[in-house]
Amino acid sequence: NAGVTQTPKFRVLKTGQSMTLLCAQDMNHEYMYWYRQDPGMGLRLIHYSVGEGTTAKGEVPDGYNVSRLKKQNFLLGLESAAPSQTSVYFCASRLRTGIQEGNEKLFFGSGTQLSVL
Amino acid sequence: QQPVQSPQAVILREGEDAVINCSSSKALYSVHWYRQKHGEAPVFLMILLKGGEQKGHDKISASFNEKKQQSSLYLTASQLSYSGTYFCGTGSTGGFKTIFGAGTRLFVKA
Repeated sequence: NAGVTQTPKFRVLKTGQSMTLLCAQDMNHEYMYWYRQDPGMGLRLIHYSVGEGTTAKGEVPDGYNVSRLKKQNFLLGLESAAPSQTSVYFCASRLRTGIQEGNEKLFFGSGTQLSVL
Repeated sequence: QQPVQSPQAVILREGEDAVINCSSSKALYSVHWYRQKHGEAPVFLMILLKGGEQKGHDKISASFNEKKQQSSLYLTASQLSYSGTYFCGTGSTGGFKTIFGAGTRLFVKA
């Protein structure tokens, strides 16, 4: 049971280059999320999706785009990478553990360490 | 808006207790707690829902006071394995997202 899988695990980019991070989950979860983690700032939500074909902005969406063409996949794109996007990126999917709103938990992937030079 | 966690960091000796606080300026429906070991992904600990409930997970428990928009995580008789960064995440009524605090780094030494 793979859970949430992120690829690649590490990447180094030059300023201005583009790349796509892939997140795949095999748990049939409806909701998926992209977070970035920076020292002292915790996990900040970039974009999220509540179902196939839908996406929405989180706290820090600028400079990123996402797509959810298939339920199991959530892609995060950087069109023109900047040094400020150096970070660890985590994908997560959400299991609804009860019928009460808010009663859910997140499953995280192992993260992608991205450096932009 | 991110919830505020305190303290930012804490160092304990094995067997000591600690409290980590989480507060929000927005009305909360739920509070989540996660722990992240160095170099690993965050792992779910527990969820507390509106209603002022208290939960436990081994020797780790938490409370949620929705009127004060606060939650606290209690770690008793700490073990070396408790070391890591603890995050609180908050959910609001009608929302689909979890917003996390900046984290509290906990280090337990022998």
